[in-house]
Amino acid sequence: AQSVTQPDIHITVSEGASLELRCNYSYGATPYLFWYVQSPGQGLQLLLKYFSGDTLVQGIKGFEAEFKRSQSSFNLRKPSVHWSDAAEYFCAVGPTGNTGKLIFGQGTTLQVKP
Amino acid sequence: EAGVAQSPRYKIIEKRQSVAFWCNPISGHATLYWYQQILGQGPKLLIQFQNNGVVDDSQLPKDRFSAERLKGVDSTLKIQPAKLEDSAVYLCASSPQGANTGELFFGEGSRLTVL
Repeated sequence: AQSVTQPDIHITVSEGASLELRCNYSYGATPYLFWYVQSPGQGLQLLLKYFSGDTLVQGIKGFEAEFKRSQSSFNLRKPSVHWSDAAEYFCAVGPTGNTGKLIFGQGTTLQVKP
Repeated sequence: EAGVAQSPRYKIIEKRQSVAFWCNPISGHATLYWYQQILGQGPKLLIQFQNNGVVDDSQLPKDRFSAERLKGVDSTLKIQPAKLEDSAVYLCASSPQGANTGELFFGEGSRLTVL
């Protein structure tokens, strides 16, 4: 069955510290991979995506993610977290033929301590 | 550029009542999606339109949910009769036609509480 697992429901980091959010997927074929962010009261916004090629992808707001096929993972990283990064983060996978038909993980809520 | 507009933002109804949500996608976006986000879960696709045709509605509970996009622009999602488990945020999203970029543009959502 196709699924996305985000093992950490809630993460707290100090401002300025580094961040890594984990994402593992189960998918029959090579999927397209995405990270979306949802700030309170706002819609989801695309942070970055991986389709093919370089397995390290850069996104907006200083985020990056690395695709590891052998581990079926697509972890999100940021070297130095800002208070404004506090939000909920969703990893998602989608078929190559229809990138709108996304399967989302349950999300990781990031809290940033001053 | 205006984003995806949804209304109402909040709705409280009793079970067995009906409710309708409206979505206006970004101008020029041919593809429109309705996702359901239950508290503590990630969004789940309910239905996908390409212009005014349905591309995928495999996860839409058709006994109580219906959706239409008659003129290929705005869309309405209806629930009748509502159940307690329908309490969720209903997200509308859009994307440009033929642009298999993977980027969906989401509205702020309509939060439904069924009592």
